[in-house]
Amino acid sequence: AAGVIQSPRHLIKEKRETATLKCYPIPRHDTVYWYQQGPGQDPQFLISFYEKMQSDKGSIPDRFSAQQFSDYHSELNMSSLELGDSALYFCASSFGPQYNSPLHFGNGTRLTVT
Amino acid sequence: GENVEQHPSTLSVQEGDSAVIKCTYSDSASNYFPWYKQELGKGPQLIIDIRSNVGEKKDQRIAVTLNKTAKHFSLHITETQPEDSAVYFCAASSVAGSQGNLIFGKGTKLSVKP
Repeated sequence: AAGVIQSPRHLIKEKRETATLKCYPIPRHDTVYWYQQGPGQDPQFLISFYEKMQSDKGSIPDRFSAQQFSDYHSELNMSSLELGDSALYFCASSFGPQYNSPLHFGNGTRLTVT
Repeated sequence: GENVEQHPSTLSVQEGDSAVIKCTYSDSASNYFPWYKQELGKGPQLIIDIRSNVGEKKDQRIAVTLNKTAKHFSLHITETQPEDSAVYFCAASSVAGSQGNLIFGKGTKLSVKP
């Protein structure tokens, strides 16, 4: 079965640079979520989109922005990168925005900021 | 807001034994409780979930129990196998929270010794 696709898998950037992470949800899934996971930490919710509209916002820094496109893929844009932004970034998708709609995660993008 | 506590943080069992991981949550409005398994270098994989109108759910060697009165839920893995070794996360979500805004526990690193 098709899963959530994230690209790139690995990304190395320097401080103050920008980065763009991409997420392609499972076919027919219309809701995407972004999570950040630090080393040895649990995933922290950043932001979500349903039908191309932002549906909820978590602990996403103002330096980050995201959007969902007409084909339901999503991009997370990160500017003025800081060392502390180094983490795994996961995208998840679901069918519908219901609170109990199972989330399916991609394998993440590992961002390293040097 | 919701707070999810998970215990133990590490668990080591012999192959064939059972493993139990426990979580408590704080928001009585939470009514969806998924469990995720995360292997090294991969995203969290949904293994089982339970909704608040159900007290127990089983899927082969995996079972989850929910006690809404006490606000805790548990994951039970029977006949453990080395491939069960991973980090397991519990999570909670509520309609009062937001769409898909899962709050995760800190994770349990399960090691199954052959």
